[in-house]
Amino acid sequence: GQQLNQSPQSMFIQEGEDVSMNCTSSSIFNTWLWYKQDPGEGPVLLIALYKAGELTSNGRLTAQFGITRKDSFLNISASIPSDVGIYFCAGRNTGNQFYFGTGTSLTVIP
Amino acid sequence: GEEVAQTPKHLVRGEGQKAKLYCAPIKGHSYVFWYQQVLKNEFKFLISFQNENVFDETGMPKERFSAKCLPNSPCSLEIQATKLEDSAVYFCASTSRQGKTEAFFGQGTRLTVV
Repeated sequence: GQQLNQSPQSMFIQEGEDVSMNCTSSSIFNTWLWYKQDPGEGPVLLIALYKAGELTSNGRLTAQFGITRKDSFLNISASIPSDVGIYFCAGRNTGNQFYFGTGTSLTVIP
Repeated sequence: GEEVAQTPKHLVRGEGQKAKLYCAPIKGHSYVFWYQQVLKNEFKFLISFQNENVFDETGMPKERFSAKCLPNSPCSLEIQATKLEDSAVYFCASTSRQGKTEAFFGQGTRLTVV
């Protein structure tokens, strides 16, 4: 199945630093979703985006729906230790099919 | 319910045995999706339902895998004659409808085939 290109694959950052990750696709999506998955848990929805160009924030998290509808990015500002986990992007197409990125593993060093 | 409920949380099966996993979607959600997540964290799509009807089964290995969503019952994913490579975490997600919607995930069922 289709897999979205998500980068970077992993990040090691100091506490307090900002983080940026992105997803690109060869196909157009009408919804972009960002999830965080902790070990042994299911993905938890962080932000949902529905319109091209849309910029949405959730606390220290900000995500944007790319103008071309083929990409999205997620920023985390002033990272804290509990931000550790794997972040996944997901795109939904008009056929109500969801496609996932390969994940970005984030490690925050106190 | 207010969350996607998956049972059991862990399942261990000997190779060749049957495995059955359950998923109760969020109340009012009409779409259910099953995914398989293996060590590389990749989410492999298996099958989706719109109410009790199969919506998309393009990811389903049809030889040994089957799934159902019957009215007033949890959805189920069944694997006949499990193989070692079936070991994975199986996630279920549900959404409310087409249009402006989000997919919410359950906690997953970790299947270990020994």
